[in-house]
Amino acid sequence: DVKVTQSSRYLVKRTGEKVFLECVQDMDHENMFWYRQDPGLGLRLIYFSYDVKMKEKGDIPEGYSVSREKKERFSLILESASTNQTSMYLCASSSPRTDYYGYTFGSGTRLTVV
Amino acid sequence: GQNIDQPTEMTATEGAIVQINCTYQTSGFNGLFWYQQHAGEAPTFLSYNVLDGLEEKGRFSSFLSRSKGYSYLLLKELQMKDSASYLCAVRRNNAGNMLTFGGGTRLMVKP
Repeated sequence: DVKVTQSSRYLVKRTGEKVFLECVQDMDHENMFWYRQDPGLGLRLIYFSYDVKMKEKGDIPEGYSVSREKKERFSLILESASTNQTSMYLCASSSPRTDYYGYTFGSGTRLTVV
Repeated sequence: GQNIDQPTEMTATEGAIVQINCTYQTSGFNGLFWYQQHAGEAPTFLSYNVLDGLEEKGRFSSFLSRSKGYSYLLLKELQMKDSASYLCAVRRNNAGNMLTFGGGTRLMVKP
């Protein structure tokens, strides 16, 4: 069964901490994405990557950075966590080879910044 | 820019039919997706439309009109387990082919 795995289901961090959210996929997908999901706002794209070491800003990149050193792994970094970054974070992957399917999502990481 | 609208909430009765609408304004359209998301879980793929018309898959059907910027998801013979959020997403025609999502429609199915 194909999978996108996010390292943590729940995280609680303090304001100002550096936070790493990890995502690994085993489908050899070229594209990987980070979204955050907030009530009333839906899913908003933070960053995406369409190849190793490539990264592109999404709609709300401020306060975030990403790393893609290997094809299967895409990391989201909160350089200095703030309370307005409390949210559900969803990682997804896709491939042009399975265009009709769109994304495969991870189970999400619910981050609380206190 | 991208703009995708869908109702925030809907309520329907078990066994009935419900239609969830989605309107969009976007540049570089390359397909429309519907996802189902149960509370606390990841979204899962339901349907994909890239050409005009109706796609049927069991109890679920999805319709697309590109000229009107309009889609709907039709759920028949509603079951309690269909209570979930339904996300409309448009794929952009650019590098990475990323999806832009609407705010989601929370469907509550009552006995």
